[in-house]
Amino acid sequence: KQEVTQIPAALSVPEGENLVLNCSFTDSAIYNLQWFRQDPGKGLTSLLLIQSSQREQTSGRLNASLDKSSGRSTLYIAASQPGDSATYLCAVFQNYGGSQGNLIFGKGTKLSVKP
Amino acid sequence: DADVTQTPRNRITKTGKRIMLECSQTKGHDRMYWYRQDPGLGLRLIYYSFDVKDINKGEISDGYSVSRQAQAKFSLSLESAIPNQTALYFCATSSPWGEQYFGPGTRLTVT
Repeated sequence: KQEVTQIPAALSVPEGENLVLNCSFTDSAIYNLQWFRQDPGKGLTSLLLIQSSQREQTSGRLNASLDKSSGRSTLYIAASQPGDSATYLCAVFQNYGGSQGNLIFGKGTKLSVKP
Repeated sequence: DADVTQTPRNRITKTGKRIMLECSQTKGHDRMYWYRQDPGLGLRLIYYSFDVKDINKGEISDGYSVSRQAQAKFSLSLESAIPNQTALYFCATSSPWGEQYFGPGTRLTVT
C-alpha cells in the first residue's frame, strides 16, 4: 500500500529564507506527483505537477524535484515571504496498468514565515 | 468563475439525517473525486468516477454513496449522518494528464 510522508510536519522560518519541504513515498510505481498549497479552512491550490518521467518543475520562486527511484520529492521555496504561510501537501498518483489510479496524500507541512 | 464549485459551503445536521453534497465542474474533465479531510489524518478518498458510468469506492466509502448525474456533476450522499462524519469535504476533477483541481470545500458538522 502506498504511503506518503512529509517532513517536517511544521516549519517556522524568518522572511527571506530559502527553504526545502520534503516528501517521500513507498511505492515508486507512480504516474505523477503534485504539490498543493492549502490555506486554513480553504481548498487546495495546485502548485506544481511533475510527471514520472520528469526530474523537476519550476514556477516562479518554487522548484519541485522528483527522484522516483528513491521515492523522494522536494519543494524548494526561494526568498520566503509571509504570504507563503500555509500548509503544503504532496500527493502521488498511483499507476495501475498504465492508467491513472488514485491520488494519495501526505499529511502536509505547515509553514509559517515570520516578518 | 471557479472551475469546481461545491454546495453547500457549510452544513450543520443532526445524527440520522440524510444529506447531499453537490459538486459541479467546468473543466470538461471526465474524472471526478470526493475526499474528506480530518485534522491529523490528512485527505482521504471516499469515491471516484472516471466517467459517467464508472464509479469506484475509495479508501473510506462506508456510510457514503455517490451519483454521477452528468460529466460535470458528482454528488455525495450521507444516508444516515453520524457525528464521526464531521469533516471538511472536497470535490475534485483531474485532467487526462493527472493534474487535480479542487473545489473550495464543504464544512459538515453532524451533531
